[in-house]
Amino acid sequence: EDQVTQSPEALRLQEGESSSLNCSYTVSGLRGLFWYRQDPGKGPEFLFTLYSAGEEKEKERLKATLTKKESFLHITAPKPEDSATYLCAVQMERRDTGRRALTFGSGTRLQVQP
Amino acid sequence: DTEVTQTPKHLVMGMTNKKSLKCEQHMGHRAMYWYKQKAKKPPELMFVYSYEKLSINESVPSRFSPECPNSSLLNLHLHALQPEDSALYLCASSQDQLSSYTFGSGTRLTVV
Repeated sequence: EDQVTQSPEALRLQEGESSSLNCSYTVSGLRGLFWYRQDPGKGPEFLFTLYSAGEEKEKERLKATLTKKESFLHITAPKPEDSATYLCAVQMERRDTGRRALTFGSGTRLQVQP
Repeated sequence: DTEVTQTPKHLVMGMTNKKSLKCEQHMGHRAMYWYKQKAKKPPELMFVYSYEKLSINESVPSRFSPECPNSSLLNLHLHALQPEDSALYLCASSQDQLSSYTFGSGTRLTVV
């Protein structure tokens, strides 16, 4: 059965303390793994798409990597403004139609303290 | 224009009311989506429209009725909702169903 799981559920860091968030997945025929950032009361904001194992993408203090079973979002020297919920998502096939749509993991709530 | 616009931002409705949520994009995207998000939970897919046709309905109760009048607009008609339907309703669009989605800021719905 297709699944996407994120850990940890919550993470508290001091400003400047680097860490990684994990997204593990089991999907038949991966068509892209997506990372989003969501601030409270707002819609998710797109960060990265990764398509194949070994692929890496960077944006400011964030770097996303992909293996055949999981993806990591590395945060280097985070700042308080990086505090948000980080969601990963994969295209999952619907059993009844065979069509795919983004299915989200449960997210990691990141808090960066000054 | 690189935005998805949702109106209203907030909505309070009674269980006997009929209301509609609206979503608009002018990016030329041909796929549009409705998601529902409860507090501290991830967004859950409700409906997918592709080229203005309903592509996926995730067994959503009939009190939610989607409509796609044209390629830029997506509506969600609400009728006889329950208090447990209170949530943030998110609209999204994408170039096609395999591309990244652009989300709106959502409508915060409260059913009283």
